[in-house]
Amino acid sequence: AQRVTQPEKLLSVFKGAPVELKCNYSYSGSPELFWYVQYSRQRLQLLLRHISRESIKGFTADLNKGETSFHLKKPFAQEEDSAMYYCALPYNTDKLIFGTGTRLQVFP
Amino acid sequence: KAGVTQTPRYLIKTRGQQVTLSCSPISGHRSVSWYQQTPGQGLQFLFEYFSETQRNKGNFPGRFSGRQFSNSRSEMNVSTLELGDSALYLCASSLETFTGELFFGEGSRLTVL
Repeated sequence: AQRVTQPEKLLSVFKGAPVELKCNYSYSGSPELFWYVQYSRQRLQLLLRHISRESIKGFTADLNKGETSFHLKKPFAQEEDSAMYYCALPYNTDKLIFGTGTRLQVFP
Repeated sequence: KAGVTQTPRYLIKTRGQQVTLSCSPISGHRSVSWYQQTPGQGLQFLFEYFSETQRNKGNFPGRFSGRQFSNSRSEMNVSTLELGDSALYLCASSLETFTGELFFGEGSRLTVL
């Protein structure tokens, strides 16, 4: 069955440090994965999708089929990156299932 | 374009009561999904509607139900409320063709006492 695992509930770093938010998935086939972000007092919103191979707000995510991972990375964290991050995977081609989320705290 | 609107934003109920939550999608969006968000479980999929038909259903008991109207607005209902139903209920709308991009509302925070 399709499943998304985010092993870390909380990740704390200092400003300027590299960030890696982990996401592992279980999926039969070629998955299309997504990262969603929820800033404090804002709506949950799409951050990036792997198929577009884009960098959004300095974040990138590479799909590693061998390790079944889709980790979210940023070389230099900023305080405004503090938020809740969710990895998501399509299920039955027309709905998304989400991981349990990782809270990123960036200290000044 | 106005975003996804959910009402009410906050509500308090007692065990055994029922509750109805409403969601108005972005204009032109015909798919509406509902999720339950809790600190421990993250986002759990409840159900998804398209053109007034439930296309997908998550692993929740029958006390959780929903419907969609011809104008794409959706409601979800929880009957016989339990303490564990306390959560933020999020509605999200999307275009007819699944792209993986969901547009979320601010949610309805339900507290069951």
